[in-house]
Amino acid sequence: NAGVTQTPKFQVLKTGQSMTLQCAQDMNHEYMSWYRQDPGMGLRLIHYSVGAGITDQGEVPNGYNVSRSTTEDFPLRLLSAAPSQTSVYFCASSVAGGTRDTQYFGPGTRLTVL
Amino acid sequence: AQKITQTQPGMFVQEKEAVTLDCTYDTSDPSYGLFWYKQPSSGEMIFLIYQGSYDQQNATEGRYSLNFQKARKSANLVISASQLGDSAMYFCAMDRDNYGQNFVFGPGTRLSVLP
Repeated sequence: NAGVTQTPKFQVLKTGQSMTLQCAQDMNHEYMSWYRQDPGMGLRLIHYSVGAGITDQGEVPNGYNVSRSTTEDFPLRLLSAAPSQTSVYFCASSVAGGTRDTQYFGPGTRLTVL
Repeated sequence: AQKITQTQPGMFVQEKEAVTLDCTYDTSDPSYGLFWYKQPSSGEMIFLIYQGSYDQQNATEGRYSLNFQKARKSANLVISASQLGDSAMYFCAMDRDNYGQNFVFGPGTRLSVLP
């Protein structure tokens, strides 16, 4: 099992550019989430999905789009990058039902927007 | 809105001693899950321990234990016999409905273990 994989590991964008952060998991988890981590802060939920075709907004969704066409993949799209989106982005997956089956995190993508 | 508070931005502990990292939470939901994660300097998020809101006993995982005081809405992490490798950021998190997908995280505590 590769677990949760994220690409790229690092990315530099110019203001106004668009890009997609990729996330994939091979554990057949129903739930997938995207978080951002800013310096000195904990993770904040951007969007999440409870299954293929179903997505919902988290705490800080503005400027980001997601879709979930398969169980395995959950890409995060930045439509028009802004310096405020400079952050480390984590993708996570989990089985339904909570309890001890906690989220498995990817290694993160460090994004810089100039 | 649900919220996690970690009041200790940084903590120091001597190697082999125990340390308690504080976490308080705010929710009106009766069902929720509380988690602690470790983030070393390499950046990955490592699950440490889980406590469900209906669990009668405090959770333990090896050297980690969770001091769960439901009435006070606190879920402090206790690390026994600290090791140098325990130096990291520690985050308390709540699964808002204990269903596995809607987490809120605290700001974290940076633990430094001194030799």
